[in-house]
Amino acid sequence: AQSVTQLDSQVPVFEEAPVELRCNYSSSVSVYLFWYVQYPNQGLQLLLKYLSGSTLVKGINGFEAEFNKSQTSFHLRKPSVHISDTAEYFCAVSGGSGGYQKVTFGTGTKLQVIP
Amino acid sequence: EPEVTQTPSHQVTQMGQEVILRCVPISNHLYFYWYRQILGQKVEFLVSFYNNEISEKSEIFDDQFSVERPDGSNFTLKIRSTKLEDSAMYFCASSVSGNTEAFFGQGTRLTVV
Repeated sequence: AQSVTQLDSQVPVFEEAPVELRCNYSSSVSVYLFWYVQYPNQGLQLLLKYLSGSTLVKGINGFEAEFNKSQTSFHLRKPSVHISDTAEYFCAVSGGSGGYQKVTFGTGTKLQVIP
Repeated sequence: EPEVTQTPSHQVTQMGQEVILRCVPISNHLYFYWYRQILGQKVEFLVSFYNNEISEKSEIFDDQFSVERPDGSNFTLKIRSTKLEDSAMYFCASSVSGNTEAFFGQGTRLTVV
């Protein structure tokens, strides 16, 4: 079965500093990769997705992620964070051995932006 | 832009009661899903549904749960005899086909008291 690993459960970062949230997945075949953001007591909002094509994916709110097949990673980056970016971020994968019907989520990374 | 809509946004129910969570998938989508997120935990797959039958389900999706597409637009999750541990955010999702991305609704927060 496919899996997603988000090694950092919490990431504190100062406002206007850059941030990288790490995500690794396990699959030997083609996958779709996603990053979702969840603000407190709210639903999931899609930040960005990789389906195919360019390995650098740009999403909403200034976030981007790079698909690295050799390292099976899909790290999320933002060059300068804002207070409003404080939220929980989930990396997710579909495809591979799990099939495209099922999305497997990571355990989430809480981004805390410090003023 | 089309979206998956879920109602209600928050539901409180007494332990032992039956609850039905409702979802309206995107209109041309054929695959439907339910996921669950217990507070503070990750989002977990419950079930996928296609052509009026369950195509895959997780070990969480036991006999207490059932899904239905009662008409051409709604997709429901029924939980019989709710337990305290059923308290969670439930997300509905839909996709055009089995190998395209799924679009998620905003979720229904279920609180069992």
